[in-house]
Amino acid sequence: GENVEQHPSTLSVQEGDSAVIKCTYSDSASNYFPWYKQELGKRPQLIIDIRSNVGEKKDQRIAVTLNKTAKHFSLHITETQPEDSAVYFCAAHPGNAGGTSYGKLTFGQGTILTVHP
Amino acid sequence: DTEVTQTPKHLVMGMTNKKSLKCEQHMGHRAMYWYKQKAKKPPELMFVYSYEKLSINESVPSRFSPECPNSSLLNLHLHALQPEDSALYLCASSSNRGFYEQYFGPGTRLTVT
Repeated sequence: GENVEQHPSTLSVQEGDSAVIKCTYSDSASNYFPWYKQELGKRPQLIIDIRSNVGEKKDQRIAVTLNKTAKHFSLHITETQPEDSAVYFCAAHPGNAGGTSYGKLTFGQGTILTVHP
Repeated sequence: DTEVTQTPKHLVMGMTNKKSLKCEQHMGHRAMYWYKQKAKKPPELMFVYSYEKLSINESVPSRFSPECPNSSLLNLHLHALQPEDSALYLCASSSNRGFYEQYFGPGTRLTVT
């Protein structure tokens, strides 16, 4: 089955700096890669995603890049703000999404991001 | 409206109790999910329903029993739980039409005493 590794496990930055979180996946057939932000006591919130036919996607201060050859994808947050402090999870969805695997996201272990004012 | 709702927010139950968690979405999504999340860990998939039929059971113990009465509702029936089952239980939904985006509910914080 799929295996997703996420690094670093913790990341501390100063407000205004950039933050980068990296994930690698094992199944070359995976074709959808979402990123979730989870604040303390809250639900995981989908913040950005990318499909395997795209190399980069950007939404305001956040961007995701995908390297299919190396099987890794990264989350980039620019101009970080204290409200970006949260746990971030990457995930991968299988490409063979027939009835037996549709929806079966494999999550990374999470990165605790702290943005200091 | 990208909202999934869950009740109750908190639940404390003894090991001999029977209780149910409820989840509802009105986005027209046809896939619904139950996840278990322990502190500082990623969500762990338990069950997937697609068009009201159970499509994935991740070898979950039978003390957890899912039910999908209709396309908007998802229940998780709990019976004879163990203290290690204490966790945040999250419901999610997605459109199941080639789009994989999953939207999570706020969760039910379950404590088993």
